[in-house]
Amino acid sequence: GEDVEQSLFLSVREGDSSVINCTYTDSSSTYLYWYKQEPGAGLQLLTYIFSNMDMKQDQRLTVLLNKKDKHLSLRIADTQTGDSAIYFCAERGRGDDKIIFGKGTRLHILP
Amino acid sequence: NAGVTQTPKFQVLKTGQSMTLQCAQDMNHNSMYWYRQDPGMGLRLIYYSASEGTTDKGEVPNGYNVSRLNKREFSLRLESAAPSQTSVYFCASSENGFGTPSAPLHFGNGTRLTVT
Repeated sequence: GEDVEQSLFLSVREGDSSVINCTYTDSSSTYLYWYKQEPGAGLQLLTYIFSNMDMKQDQRLTVLLNKKDKHLSLRIADTQTGDSAIYFCAERGRGDDKIIFGKGTRLHILP
Repeated sequence: NAGVTQTPKFQVLKTGQSMTLQCAQDMNHNSMYWYRQDPGMGLRLIYYSASEGTTDKGEVPNGYNVSRLNKREFSLRLESAAPSQTSVYFCASSENGFGTPSAPLHFGNGTRLTVT
C-alpha cells in the first residue's frame, strides 16, 4: 500500500540550513507536497513538485526529488525562528483523489 | 476570503454523547476531506468526498459518519463518542484530483475534541 515516511524530529541552529527528508512507496505518485503546520493551526501548503521534475526552488526553499529512490527532501536556507513548525511530506497518486501524509517532522531551532 | 471554516474550535464530550463537526469552504472546490491528527501518528484520513453526492471511507472511518450536504459543506458526525476519538480534527478541500496540474489541500484551523 501507499506509505510516506519521514523522521519525527530535527534540530538546527538559527542561520544554518535545514534539510527534511521523506521517502514514499507509490511509484505512480504524480505530485509531492510539503506542508507546514505552526502551533495551534491547520496545515498550509509550502511548495509542491511534479514527479517529472528533479528540483524546484522558491526563495529559501529547495525541493529535491529522486524518483528512482522515491526520496524527497526540503531544504530551508538560513533557518529562522519563524521556521519552527511541523513539516509534512505528502503524495498524490495518479488518478487518485486522496493525498497520503507522512507523520510530520518537528523542526526545532536552536539559538 | 475565508477559505475553509470549521466549527466549533473546541469541544469536550462525555463518553457516549454525539456531536457533529461542521465544515464549509468558499472556494468552489469539488473535493472535501476529514482528517484526524494524533501525536506521533500524523494525519489520518477518516472520510472524503470526491465530489458532491459521493463519500468514501478513508483509513480510519470506524465510529464516524459524514454528510456532503452540498458543494460547500461536509460534516463529520460522532454518534457515540469514545475516549479514543480524542483528537484534533481537520477539514480540507481541493479543486479536483483528476486532470488537475496541481490540487493541493486547503485546511481549516481544526477542531480540538476531548472525550472524557
